[in-house]
Amino acid sequence: DTEVTQTPKHLVMGMTNKKSLKCEQHMGHRAMYWYKQKAKKPPELMFVYSYEKLSINESVPSRFSPECPNSSLLNLHLHALQPEDSALYLCASSQEIVSYNEQFFGPGTRLTVL
Amino acid sequence: DQQVKQNSPSLSVQEGRISILNCDYTNSMFDYFLWYKKYPAEGPTFLISISSIKDKNEDGRFTVFLNKSAKHLSLHIVPSQPGDSAVYFCAASSTGAGSYQLTFGKGTKLSVIP
Repeated sequence: DTEVTQTPKHLVMGMTNKKSLKCEQHMGHRAMYWYKQKAKKPPELMFVYSYEKLSINESVPSRFSPECPNSSLLNLHLHALQPEDSALYLCASSQEIVSYNEQFFGPGTRLTVL
Repeated sequence: DQQVKQNSPSLSVQEGRISILNCDYTNSMFDYFLWYKKYPAEGPTFLISISSIKDKNEDGRFTVFLNKSAKHLSLHIVPSQPGDSAVYFCAASSTGAGSYQLTFGKGTKLSVIP
């Protein structure tokens, strides 16, 4: 299984809603990542988990809250988002948190904040 | 300031011919480079990588060339096929501090014309 899955594929939410994005991989990877990608822009790193611990938070606003319940799952909890947070949210994983490990990406969740 | 640049937003190539996608970088600490392919509504898919200790890496129809002195890499696809039509992202990382970080270019949209 060389796949990273993400649910839901599409999400529309209001600014007062609370929602969660889910990501799953069964490749035994110990590093997992959240990226945000706006239209016609490259992916921007948000968070990195290594061995289920948050390693990196790239100065992401607190309305985005990551969680890694176990080595296969990564969640992104959303609360009080702004319309400018509308984007494609990509999850990725790699064997370890080092540069020589390719990152495998999921298909993404297309988020629209109204 | 963009550390990874893909100066051609788009490229059209006839089926069967060679596609050459270019990427330039400015950070001399980068020592590992990757190419990702992205179809609409999907996450990026890893294609091929190269370490700075090499100047060429080949995998089937895909070859990546690295010119460290010019801080330039290119992806060659030979022969090009209609299924290769996608957005191609160049990415770079360093084995130093922040080695988890993949810095992406803005992408080049390749269209292979049957």
